[in-house]
Amino acid sequence: AAGVIQSPRHLIKEKRETATLKCYPIPRHDTVYWYQQGPGQDPQFLISFYEKMQSDKGSIPDRFSAQQFSDYHSELNMSSLELGDSALYFCASSPLAGVDTQYFGPGTRLTVL
Amino acid sequence: DAKTTQPPSMDCAEGRAANLPCNHSTISGNEYVYWYRQIHSQGPQYIIHGLKNNETNEMASLIITEDRKSSTLILPHATLRDTAVYYCIVMGWSGGGADGLTFGKGTHLIIQP
Repeated sequence: AAGVIQSPRHLIKEKRETATLKCYPIPRHDTVYWYQQGPGQDPQFLISFYEKMQSDKGSIPDRFSAQQFSDYHSELNMSSLELGDSALYFCASSPLAGVDTQYFGPGTRLTVL
Repeated sequence: DAKTTQPPSMDCAEGRAANLPCNHSTISGNEYVYWYRQIHSQGPQYIIHGLKNNETNEMASLIITEDRKSSTLILPHATLRDTAVYYCIVMGWSGGGADGLTFGKGTHLIIQP
């Protein structure tokens, strides 16, 4: 079965640079979620989109922004990167009709030097 | 969403049933109990969820007490590949929205050969 696709899988950036992470949900899933997992920590919810509109917001820094496009893929844009942004970033998707079960992608490992 | 309490770690012998407890004494009537797991650095994986009745799928069984204040996830025949952090998450029905999951500390289940 098709899964959530995230790209790139690994990304290395310098401090103060910008980064863009992409997420392609499972086909026919209209809802996308972003999570951040720092080293040794549990995943933390950042933001979600339902039918291309922002739905829920967690502890997403103001330096981060995200959007969902007409084909339902989503991008997480991070600017003025800091060392503390080094983390695993997971995207999840859920199917139509408000079903809440979330299916996670393999993650993007971001390293900020 | 109600808070959950899980033991930080548990051991289980391979081939035996693994029983993972979760306390959620402040759960309200419209909140579901979800279980996810995360194998080291992989994306969290949905296991099972329930409202008040016991549930079973190909991965596990979920037993919810009659007062709904606690639940137990049962992996009937644990294998080494079941070693992971298991998260019990309580959340209300989003009604078609896209609420983010709140991951607590979870239980690190270690399957011993």
